[in-house]
Amino acid sequence: NAGVTQTPKFQVLKTGQSMTLQCAQDMNHNSMYWYRQDPGMGLRLIYYSASEGTTDKGEVPNGYNVSRLNKREFSLRLESAAPSQTSVYFCASSLGQGAIETQYFGPGTRLLVL
Amino acid sequence: GDSVTQMEGPVTLSEEAFLTINCTYTATGYPSLFWYVQYPGEGLQLLLKATKADDKGSNKGFEATYRKETTSFHLEKGSVQVSDSAVYFCALSGSTGGFKTIFGAGTRLFVKA
Repeated sequence: NAGVTQTPKFQVLKTGQSMTLQCAQDMNHNSMYWYRQDPGMGLRLIYYSASEGTTDKGEVPNGYNVSRLNKREFSLRLESAAPSQTSVYFCASSLGQGAIETQYFGPGTRLLVL
Repeated sequence: GDSVTQMEGPVTLSEEAFLTINCTYTATGYPSLFWYVQYPGEGLQLLLKATKADDKGSNKGFEATYRKETTSFHLEKGSVQVSDSAVYFCALSGSTGGFKTIFGAGTRLFVKA
């Protein structure tokens, strides 16, 4: 049981380049999330998908797009990378969206934009 | 808006010392409270949670009690081990009936042998 997997683990981009971060979960969870983690700021929600076929903006969506490809997969796209997007990106999933739901996190993607 | 404030780190302790990591929150409504732990090079994983006032969450020797009167959820462990070295995040969810999780900035713990 792999849980939540993310690819790639590490990526270096030049300003203006694009890339897609991939996330997949094998726990049959309905909800999926993308966060970014910056020093001293905890995790901030970029986008989320409450269920297959729906996506919504989180706290910091500017410069990103997402696709909920199916129930298992939720990708994050940077169309034109900027140095301010240098961060560690985490994908997470949960069974539902209730207040008591536990989120399960992937190992993260470390992104450096030069 | 809702927020979570944690004590700044890093916290450095010797093995077998007592650990407290303070966490206070601001929220409207009645949130659930969580502690997540992040070991080096890994994603976050749930350590413990509490869903209503006066509930105590516990796991792996760690404990935290949901104190509504002081809006706090402090993490404690009686005797830390080197393997407890990690970053600890306090979080809340469901404050106003919504589901979004608000994370604190994290507190890094170093335990020396």
